[in-house]
Amino acid sequence: DSGVTQTPKHLITATGQRVTLRCSPRSGDLSVYWYQQSLDQGLQFLIQYYNGEERAKGNILERFSAQQFPDLHSELNLSSLELGDSALYFCASSVGGTGGYGYTFGSGTRLTVV
Amino acid sequence: DQQVKQNSPSLSVQEGRISILNCDYTNSMFDYFLWYKKYPAEGPTFLISISSIKDKNEDGRFTVFLNKSAKHLSLHIVPSQPGDSAVYFCAASRRGPGTYKYIFGTGTRLKVLA
Repeated sequence: DSGVTQTPKHLITATGQRVTLRCSPRSGDLSVYWYQQSLDQGLQFLIQYYNGEERAKGNILERFSAQQFPDLHSELNLSSLELGDSALYFCASSVGGTGGYGYTFGSGTRLTVV
Repeated sequence: DQQVKQNSPSLSVQEGRISILNCDYTNSMFDYFLWYKKYPAEGPTFLISISSIKDKNEDGRFTVFLNKSAKHLSLHIVPSQPGDSAVYFCAASRRGPGTYKYIFGTGTRLKVLA
């Protein structure tokens, strides 16, 4: 157990629907990062929050949004879902700037859009 | 634009031999390089990192080499063990204001044959 908790583990939904993925960071970590891994793709950075504030944005679609709550858990909202949104979504956390120490990843949420 | 590339999708090695995983990057502003290991149904796990001011970092059976002039890094695993069979991701970081965002390669699947 890495200490980063992601729920649900699996999600199957239809095109056009909206889903919410949840992440609880490791105790003491203030930063939360969201990544998407599509088939045969690397981990694509979506967005980072630090202590409730958005810090960095990557290749996140306008249909996607995220937030970090006062208790530091984070939610990634995906709306108007398309077949191409099927992927593994990972959340990671760190104390803050980590440089060479890396993030701690959760085990991911596998989203299947049918 | 894929700034971090792992050109070998897979690699098979005999147990006890050396495994060499390669990674190329394009951005000379990256300040840290990391390797992550991922087992099926788990999130990536941080393995080892190297600062851009160094050319080698060693941790037990794992050594990372950095060749800045060639914009190339490699991970050496000696001796390879069956438990090393996993997908290995190379990542690079560049510090932004209040953030360390990692850019990942597409991964190399290592299979260590007993």
